[in-house]
Amino acid sequence: DAGVTQSPTHLIKTRGQQVTLRCSPKSGHDTVSWYQQALGQGPQFIFQYYEEEERQRGNFPDRFSGHQFPNYSSELNVNALLLGDSALYLCASSSADTQYFGPGTRLTVL
Amino acid sequence: AQTVTQSQPEMSVQEAETVTLSCTYDTSENNYYLFWYKQPPSRQMILVIRQEAYKQQNATENRFSVNFQKAAKSFSLKISDSQLGDTAMYFCAFVVYVFGNEKLTFGTGTRLTIIP
Repeated sequence: DAGVTQSPTHLIKTRGQQVTLRCSPKSGHDTVSWYQQALGQGPQFIFQYYEEEERQRGNFPDRFSGHQFPNYSSELNVNALLLGDSALYLCASSSADTQYFGPGTRLTVL
Repeated sequence: AQTVTQSQPEMSVQEAETVTLSCTYDTSENNYYLFWYKQPPSRQMILVIRQEAYKQQNATENRFSVNFQKAAKSFSLKISDSQLGDTAMYFCAFVVYVFGNEKLTFGTGTRLTIIP
């Protein structure tokens, strides 16, 4: 049984560019959450998707947007990248009360 | 506001010894779940153990066990017979189980090093 997968593994962008990160949930999971983890910090909640709708959002600007597809996979989009967006982006999937994480995408903004 | 505090930024212990990581949290809700996640240098966040707040019995998973004190809002992790593979960042987290409000709130982590 495949766990949560994310792509790409690493990404380097320049300020002002746009980026799309992808996540496939664990089989049987219908809810996807995204987190941003800055170096040396705990993950911070960005938003959560359920039934193709954004169900809950953390304290992140509108530059961060997402989407969930009918197969429950999800994308995280970040527009107008800033240096401060450099971080590890984690995707987690769940079907009830426990979230399981993917390996993350390391985004570096130059 | 919901918060998690991990007061030990770093810990180290000899292999085969027992170590306890501390965590306190704050919430006004009664129905929630608590978790310990492990993040090794590979950066994959791995679930170690979970505890339902309504259960009085402390959760155990092989060498890992918790001491859950609901009134004190304390949730410590005990690792017995520590192994080199336990070296990692450990994050305490909780989620308030209300439909549509299921974000995980994390602490800042404890870096645990197992010394051979």
